[in-house]
Order: sequence, then structure tokens, then C-alpha cells
Amino acid sequence: DAGVTQSPTHLIKTRGQQVTLRCSPKSGHDTVSWYQQALGQGPQFIFQYYEEEERQRGNFPDRFSGHQFPNYSSELNVNALLLGDSALYLCASSFSGRPNNEQFFGPGTRLTVL
Amino acid sequence: GQNIDQPTEMTATEGAIVQINCTYQTSGFNGLFWYQQHAGEAPTFLSYNVLDGLEEKGRFSSFLSRSKGYSYLLLKELQMKDSASYLCAVNSRRGYQKVTFGTGTKLQVIP
Repeated sequence: DAGVTQSPTHLIKTRGQQVTLRCSPKSGHDTVSWYQQALGQGPQFIFQYYEEEERQRGNFPDRFSGHQFPNYSSELNVNALLLGDSALYLCASSFSGRPNNEQFFGPGTRLTVL
Repeated sequence: GQNIDQPTEMTATEGAIVQINCTYQTSGFNGLFWYQQHAGEAPTFLSYNVLDGLEEKGRFSSFLSRSKGYSYLLLKELQMKDSASYLCAVNSRRGYQKVTFGTGTKLQVIP
């Protein structure tokens, strides 16, 4: 049983560019949450997708957007990249039928903005 | 708003016991998570407390007091591999997860 997978593992972009990160949830999970983790900090909640809709959002600008597909996989898009967007981006999946259960995290995508 | 406080760093000796504290002030509360995160890796689930009291799982135990907005993670018989960051996180939304993480406590286990 594959866990949560993310691609790419690492990414280098320049300021002003756009980036798309991808996540496949654990088998049987239907909810995907995205987090940004700066070095030495805890993960910060970006948004959560369920039934192909964004149903919760953290304190992130509209430059951050996402999508969930019918197979529950998800994408995170960031436009007009800033240096401060450099971070580890984590995807976590869970099952809506057990809303208080643990989230399973993927290995993350390390984004560097130059 | 959401505020979760943990010590930044702790050091403990192999074989000893260490307690990592977490205090929280959140606009809602529906449970508290503890995660372990080794450097360069994703967080892995350790425990989830919804009700007050102590929950034990092997060498790790987690305690919650909702009235005090307080939790701790207790690690017994420390091993070198326990050197990692420990993240306290609060689920503040009933029905589905809206999880806020603390900044994490970096634990160093020394021989």
C-alpha cells in the first residue's frame, strides 16, 4: 500500500515564476491538505481539498491556489514566486469518514526560489 | 487566533525520560496531535488526544488537560534515534481537520 507521494522532490525556480506541485494521497483517503514549512518552523496550513473543492484555507495570499482531481490527487500552484516562498511543501492526506484521525504526510517538495 | 507554544530545544541523556510541554490558545479545540519529524523528513504521527488524561503507547505517552490548554509528550528510555523535532498540533475544527502546528521542539539525545 503506497503512502502519500509527492513530486517533484526538489525544485529550483526564480522570482516571478510559477510552480506546480503534485500529491497523491494514501490509498483510501479522500482529503488532502497542503502545508508550507520554513526551515526551523512548524508546518503552516495552506488549504484543504475535499470532493474537488477547497473547503478550508489558511492565511496565505491568492497566489497560492490548488486543485483536487476525481482520483483525489491534488496540485498546489504558486504564482509570482517570491524569495520567501522557499520552503518545504508538505501534502497530508486523511479520510473524511474519520475526521479526527491522523493525517499521513508525504515526503515533501523542497522549493528554492532564487 | 491560534497560538501554540513549545520549548525550542531540549537535550536529554540516552536511557533517560524527557517531557516536552505544549500550551495552546485556539479559537476552537477538537483534539491535539503530536508528531515526530527527523531532519529533512516528513512528520510522522505519534499520538492524538481528544479527552483529558494520559494515553500511553509504548515508550511514548501523551497527556492532555483541556481546561488548562496544556499537553505534554513523555518519552521514556530515550534512544539516540529519538533525536528529532517534536511538533504539537491542534485540530480546531469539528467535522474536519483544521490543524495548527507549533514551531516544534528540537530534542537532542546525548550518550
